[in-house]
Amino acid sequence: AQKVTQAQTEISVVEKEDVTLDCVYETRDTTYYLFWYKQPPSGELVFLIRRNSFDEQNEISGRYSWNFQKSTSSFNFTITASQVVDSAVYFCALSPIGNAGNMLTFGGGTRLMVKP
Amino acid sequence: GAGVSQSPRYKVAKRGQDVALRCDPISGHVSLFWYQQALGQGPEFLTYFQNEAQLDKSGLPSDRFFAERPEGSVSTLKIQRTQQEDSAVYLCASSLGDLRPYNEQFFGPGTRLTVL
Repeated sequence: AQKVTQAQTEISVVEKEDVTLDCVYETRDTTYYLFWYKQPPSGELVFLIRRNSFDEQNEISGRYSWNFQKSTSSFNFTITASQVVDSAVYFCALSPIGNAGNMLTFGGGTRLMVKP
Repeated sequence: GAGVSQSPRYKVAKRGQDVALRCDPISGHVSLFWYQQALGQGPEFLTYFQNEAQLDKSGLPSDRFFAERPEGSVSTLKIQRTQQEDSAVYLCASSLGDLRPYNEQFFGPGTRLTVL
């Protein structure tokens, strides 16, 4: 069975602060993908990043960075210099590798509120 | 090009009514997924199609839920005798479904179902 836990249900920061969203996962698969999605108030899920379990290199994309640590089964997401437009619900997700039915297992989400 | 579309966007049903939710995947996408997102929670997998074949329906919560994709394109999720606990956003996603290890899922805007 697969499980994704996002312990922070809600985070509130002031604009320009850095914020880290935590994600811990459980899986019996030795190979898998990890994801982060953003869900703005409009409701549509927006893909942010996919990492595979082979690659533990951290990744940076603009103000976003991701820290994947297989030893602790964590895949944390940091937003640097947060902006009001970053306000949304963020979901971490997990998927097996190697079959066409890559069903996603999502965490419960973290609601991020960035205040001006 | 056009993304995944879902209709209706909003549906209000009286308890006991049957409802049908439609998903139009991206043209040429072989794989189609349905997820249920209850208020304040992450999406949960319901069922998966490859072309017209329903390969996994392990997430359907009861036998009141039924999904079909008769011609391998448009899919319909039907809920019979709706209950209040069926109130949720129903998300559809599609992917190419080819032989690569991962096929990105593209999500539709969802249908928000409210059962009174």
